[in-house]
Amino acid sequence: QQPVQSPQAVILREGEDAVINCSSSKALYSVHWYRQKHGEAPVFLMILLKGGEQKGHDKISASFNEKKQQSSLYLTASQLSYSGTYFCGTEGSGSARQLTFGSGTQLTVLP
Amino acid sequence: GAGVSQSPSNKVTEKGKDVELRCDPISGHTALYWYRQRLGQGLEFLIYFQGNSAPDKSGLPSDRFSAERTGESVSTLTIQRTQQEDSAVYLCASTTGGLLNSPLHFGNGTRLTVT
Repeated sequence: QQPVQSPQAVILREGEDAVINCSSSKALYSVHWYRQKHGEAPVFLMILLKGGEQKGHDKISASFNEKKQQSSLYLTASQLSYSGTYFCGTEGSGSARQLTFGSGTQLTVLP
Repeated sequence: GAGVSQSPSNKVTEKGKDVELRCDPISGHTALYWYRQRLGQGLEFLIYFQGNSAPDKSGLPSDRFSAERTGESVSTLTIQRTQQEDSAVYLCASTTGGLLNSPLHFGNGTRLTVT
C-alpha cells in the first residue's frame, strides 16, 4: 500500500522552513527519502531505520516514528536548490525489499 | 564511477507495437528495480530482481509486461502490444542489497510515448 504524503505542494521563500510528512497504514522496516528535480532521476537523501531515529544532512533532517508509522522530512532555512519533488519510500512487512513510494510533495523555493 | 544507465532515453512507438527498454546497473549491485512514473505522478513499482532469486513481479500491471535479468547484469523490460496508457517514464534503479541501509541509485529513465 502506498504511503500518504502531505502536503501535496508547498511554496516557500528562501530561508523559510518546511516539513513534509509521510505516513503508512502498515508496519515499516525503513523509510527512504528522495528528491527529484524536473526531468531528472530521483536522488537519494537519507534512510531511516526502526528505532525512532533522526538523521540530518546539512539543513535537511528527518525523523521516523515507527509506532505511528510516520516519517517527517524537515527542511531548514530553505535554499533555491531545495526546489523539487520529494518522495518518501517505505519498506514494510509483507513486501520484503519492495520500496513503495508516496505520490510526492512538490516544493518550490522562491527568491 | 559509472551510474545506472538506461537506453533509449526516449522512445516513440505506435500503439500495438512491442518495445524493449534496457538498464545497465552499477557494477556490483545485486538488486535491480523497475518503476513507472506517469506525468506528474509518483513512482509505481513494477518488478524487483535480487541476485539469482526469483524476481518479485507483483507490480507488473498486465501480462503484456515482462522483464528479464541475467545474473547481476543488464535487465530488459519488454512491453508487448503497447497501449496509450503505457506512456510514462520507466525508471531503473540498482542497489547493493537489502534496502534497510542501501539507497537506490536511479538511472535517468526512458521516456516512452505511445501514439
